[in-house]
Amino acid sequence: ETGVTQSPTHLIKTRGQQVTLRCSSQSGHNTVSWYQQALGQGPQFIFQYYREEENGRGNFPPRFSGLQFPNYSSELNVNALELDDSALYLCASSSQGIVSYEQYFGPGTRLTVT
Amino acid sequence: GESVGLHLPTLSVQEGDNSIINCAYSNSASDYFIWYKQESGKGPQFIIDIRSNMDKRQGQRVTVLLNKTVKHLSLQIAATQPGDSAVYFCAEKAEGDYKLSFGAGTTVTVRA
Repeated sequence: ETGVTQSPTHLIKTRGQQVTLRCSSQSGHNTVSWYQQALGQGPQFIFQYYREEENGRGNFPPRFSGLQFPNYSSELNVNALELDDSALYLCASSSQGIVSYEQYFGPGTRLTVT
Repeated sequence: GESVGLHLPTLSVQEGDNSIINCAYSNSASDYFIWYKQESGKGPQFIIDIRSNMDKRQGQRVTVLLNKTVKHLSLQIAATQPGDSAVYFCAEKAEGDYKLSFGAGTTVTVRA
C-alpha cells in the first residue's frame, strides 16, 4: 500500500452534473498529480499541484479544475459532466518539487456518468 | 522464458519462467522512466525506475533495461509467479517536465 487515499471509491453521476473527488497524499509528499484512466488505456495526465498551485496541465478542458490544501491533500472538480468523463480517476503523490520523479498512486475513484 | 520483441498488448507466460515486457517511447528528451503494475480494481503500483544516464537497473526479481539509441525500454521478471498477473505500464518523463506519459500497457497472464 502506498499511503495515498482517495474518496469516494465509486460514484455515479448524471450528465451535466458536477463532481468533486478527493485525495490524501502520502506522508511527507508535497506534490499531487491527477490522472484519468479510461477503460483499457493508460492513465492520462490532467494536472499537478505543488505548494497549493497548479504546476502543469495536460490536454483537459477548463471544466476540470483542482485545489491543493495546506496539508497537501487535493481535490479534483469536474463541471458539466459528459458521458466520456466516465473513467478511473487516479491521484499520485510525490516528494519532489517542481520536477517530480517517483509518483505513488492511490486506488482511484471510479466515476460513471449516465 | 517468454519475451516480446515488439510491444504486444498481451503476454502469456508459464509459472516459473522469465518474462520480458517491451515498451517503445517516443520522446528523445525523456530523462526518466518508470514501470508500473496495475491489478484489477487497483491503482498503478511502482515497480522500478531508471534515469536516462543508466542503461540497466535491477530490483527484486525485476530488471529494467534502457536503450536510448532505439528509444526502447524493457522489464524483465525472473521466475514469474501467479501474483505477477496484471497489466504493466511503462511511463516516461521529459527533462524539466512534470507529468508522466504512459504507454498502452501489456496484460501479463501467468499459467500454472
